[in-house]
Amino acid sequence: QVQLQESGPGLVKPSETLSLTCTVSGGSINGYYWGWIRQPPGKGLEWIANIHDSGSTDYNPSLKSRVTILMDTSKNQFSLRLSSLTAADTAIYYCAKYGSGWNFDHWGQGTLLTVSS
Amino acid sequence: QTVVTQEPSFSVSPGGTVTLTCGVSSGSVSNGYYPSWYQQTPGQAPRTLIYSTNTRSSGVPDRFSGSILGKKAALTITGAQADDESDYYCMLYVGSGIYVFGTGTKVTVL
Repeated sequence: QVQLQESGPGLVKPSETLSLTCTVSGGSINGYYWGWIRQPPGKGLEWIANIHDSGSTDYNPSLKSRVTILMDTSKNQFSLRLSSLTAADTAIYYCAKYGSGWNFDHWGQGTLLTVSS
Repeated sequence: QTVVTQEPSFSVSPGGTVTLTCGVSSGSVSNGYYPSWYQQTPGQAPRTLIYSTNTRSSGVPDRFSGSILGKKAALTITGAQADDESDYYCMLYVGSGIYVFGTGTKVTVL
C-alpha cells in the first residue's frame, strides 16, 4: 500500500520561499503522476501542480509564476517550491498520487504551513 | 480561469437520498472532464470516493454513486448514514494537464 508523507518548515516569513517534500513509501515513484494540493483554514481544496517521472509538469495558472515541482527518483521523493509567500499561502499542503482515472487515489496526511512574520 | 461550482450545503435525513452536483463555468460537464469525488471530514485528508464519472474507489460503499445529470457531474448518496456527514469535493480535468476542484458541499445528516 502506497503511503505519502509531507515534510516542511511549518512557519515561514512573508516574501520567503517555501520548500515542501513528499516521501513515498510502499511503492516506486516511477511511472506515475504525483501532485500537490492545498487547503487554507476553513476553505476548499486548491490544485497546485503535478509531475511525472518523465519530467512532465503542469501548474495551476494562478500560481504558475511562483511554483516549481521537482522529483528525486533516487530518494522516492517529490517536492514543491513556492516563492514570494504571503499570508494567503497559509494552508494545509497535501501531496497525492494520481490513479488511473485522472484522479487522486492516495493522499498524504497534510502539513500545515503558516506564513507570518 | 475555469470555475467549478457545487452547492454550498445539503441536509439529508438518515436513510434518505441526496444528490450533489458539480458544474463548470465553460458549459457542460462530460465524461471527458473525468469527474472525481472526494469526501473530507474535519481534520482529515480527503478520501477518494468516485473517479472517471462513476467508478467507485476501492472500499467505497455502493450507496455512493456517480453520474452525469444534464450538464453537471453528480454524486448520489442513497441511504445516508450518520458518518456520511462530511464535506464533499468534485475535481475536474479541464485539459492541458490542469485540474480544478469544486467549491465543496457540506452535507449534514439529521
